[in-house]
Amino acid sequence: QSVLTQPPSVSAAPGQKVTISCSGSSSNIGNNYVSWYLQVPGTAPKLLIYENNKRPSGIPDRFSGSKSGTSATLGIIGLQTGDEADYFCGTWDNSLSAWVFGGGTQLTVL
Amino acid sequence: QLQLQESGPGLVKPSETLSLTCTVSGDSISSSSYYWGWIRQPPGKGLEWIGNVYYNGGTYYSPSLKSRVTISVDTSKNQFSLKLSSVTAADTAVYYCARSDPTIFGVVVISFNWFDPWGQGTLVTVSS
Repeated sequence: QSVLTQPPSVSAAPGQKVTISCSGSSSNIGNNYVSWYLQVPGTAPKLLIYENNKRPSGIPDRFSGSKSGTSATLGIIGLQTGDEADYFCGTWDNSLSAWVFGGGTQLTVL
Repeated sequence: QLQLQESGPGLVKPSETLSLTCTVSGDSISSSSYYWGWIRQPPGKGLEWIGNVYYNGGTYYSPSLKSRVTISVDTSKNQFSLKLSSVTAADTAVYYCARSDPTIFGVVVISFNWFDPWGQGTLVTVSS
């Protein structure tokens, strides 16, 4: 059971918008930065969003991140079939003194 | 361009010690304020943080693995390494190394913020 809770799967049509939630607590999301990672099956995870809402160089602005209280959200607009992947959130947990990941969300672009 | 590459045996026997090395290219491990970490992913499952190391040898470990993990650094080779002892089939996973950004208060790390970039990963199977 992951400390951070993500929906196992989400789906939407090409061109549409989707959001992926990441729910935690005051010991993790509530007091630390959240980052998001994209993982195409069989490849290494890739940083998508850092410090809640910042995009690394090369990540298109179709991807956005936000945080409110003890939850974070990844948003993707203008969905493309190439966006099909697993998405993970992560943050530091002050109580555990450990980095924690969400269980991951599989995005299907129908 | 910063790149990380994991290496080590792909098969380890139960009760033995898993040993992996991450070679960093494109930057010096000791030239920046970043930490260097290990993360693993069992087949078909999610990501699990193992621990982080600084160029001076300072470490932070996952509480659930702390009793079996040692992460060390060799600045002369621009490498850092993972040792996981007394392995079982539950330790079968793809092991990734990555750079990690810390938040430091004074001289104490109070959190880590992200992992980037990641190595390509290496599958380690625990089996007799």
